[in-house]
Amino acid sequence: NAGVMQNPRHLVRRRGQEARLRCSPMKGHSHVYWYRQLPEEGLKFMVYLQKENIIDESGMPKERFSAEFPKEGPSILRIQQVVRGDSAAYFCASSPSTVGDPGTFGSGTRLTVV
Amino acid sequence: GQQLNQSPQSMFIQEGEDVSMNCTSSSIFNTWLWYKQDPGEGPVLLIALYKAGELTSNGRLTAQFGITRKDSFLNISASIPSDVGIYFCAGQTSGTYKYIFGTGTRLKVLA
Repeated sequence: NAGVMQNPRHLVRRRGQEARLRCSPMKGHSHVYWYRQLPEEGLKFMVYLQKENIIDESGMPKERFSAEFPKEGPSILRIQQVVRGDSAAYFCASSPSTVGDPGTFGSGTRLTVV
Repeated sequence: GQQLNQSPQSMFIQEGEDVSMNCTSSSIFNTWLWYKQDPGEGPVLLIALYKAGELTSNGRLTAQFGITRKDSFLNISASIPSDVGIYFCAGQTSGTYKYIFGTGTRLKVLA
């Protein structure tokens, strides 16, 4: 029973490029959360999605960031025209249900913008 | 916005000692969670608390959901070297989906 799979584990992008981060939830989980963690800080909520729906994107920057969770395939967090400040670890968590279930985290994608 | 103050920020302890850390909030939460994060990995859930006053144990770990619903603590008894890591609290308010994370307590155990 595989856990939450995130890839790539490490991603290096030049300023202005696009970054695509993928998250495959655990089998049977239809809810995905994305969090960002800066060095020496806690995790900051970005977005909560169910299959084909964005439920809460209150933590997403208004520009350059987008997320999707299609009917088939992994959830994707997309960052366009990356800047140095986007360098961080991005974690997703998946859950089988709604409010009250904390979900299971993946190992994260560490994005470095050079 | 909502903030979680976690203390202490870091602590060095001797193996075998008990550890206590806490988290306070400016808002009322209906769920408190405690996670441990090892370097290069995602957080792993240790204990989940869903009721004010609830006291829950998981092996050598014990956590409580404060009566005011604005705080929680985590105790680790008889610490061992593998307890090293960063411990995060996280809280969720009623009717929302997101969890607010604390800034973490970095624990180092001296053998």
